[in-house]
Amino acid sequence: NAGVTQTPKFRVLKTGQSMTLLCAQDMNHEYMYWYRQDPGMGLRLIHYSVGEGTTAKGEVPDGYNVSRLKKQNFLLGLESAAPSQTSVYFCASRGITGDYGYTFGSGTRLTVV
Amino acid sequence: QQPVQSPQAVILREGEDAVINCSSSKALYSVHWYRQKHGEAPVFLMILLKGGEQKGHEKISASFNEKKQQSSLYLTASQLSYSGTYFCGTGMDTGRRALTFGSGTRLQVQP
Repeated sequence: NAGVTQTPKFRVLKTGQSMTLLCAQDMNHEYMYWYRQDPGMGLRLIHYSVGEGTTAKGEVPDGYNVSRLKKQNFLLGLESAAPSQTSVYFCASRGITGDYGYTFGSGTRLTVV
Repeated sequence: QQPVQSPQAVILREGEDAVINCSSSKALYSVHWYRQKHGEAPVFLMILLKGGEQKGHEKISASFNEKKQQSSLYLTASQLSYSGTYFCGTGMDTGRRALTFGSGTRLQVQP
């Protein structure tokens, strides 16, 4: 089925470890986003991309890096995980036309101990 | 700046109506509405664009007051399946920049 696929779905990290979250979409969407969701705080934008090879910072970018080397993939990296990065991470994508919303992936639940 | 949603939570009986509001302090180009069920990803409901018409399908509709930078989501004759958390996302341009989401409104529909 067409959509946005996130891997892994769950992960437990120790403080200081690094990891990469992968987001892949097969809808040929130009725009891709990484959000984190914490209880009572809605979705907060980490980084986003408006096309292959481009990235931009969002509301809460510190401690994260991203790359979009291929149009269909958007990677989110944590270089040195901290307990404050415990969260649910959602990737989303969107096409250029104005009448469509975001398609979200199923999320990655990350716990940093 | 994050849009403000109200109410934070609402409990309904099946068949009752509800209104969820979303307001921004910045000039908006678009307002999106999403529903998220527990443990799942948000799902797109509808988008309202500046200068566009009120949207709706079945018993869920929304409006966008451009002068007040406010949007409202209307749920009529609620069903059990409407339960979940509703988020508005606001955009300030044609889409190159990302949406800013409100903190959500938790809606519970009881039999």
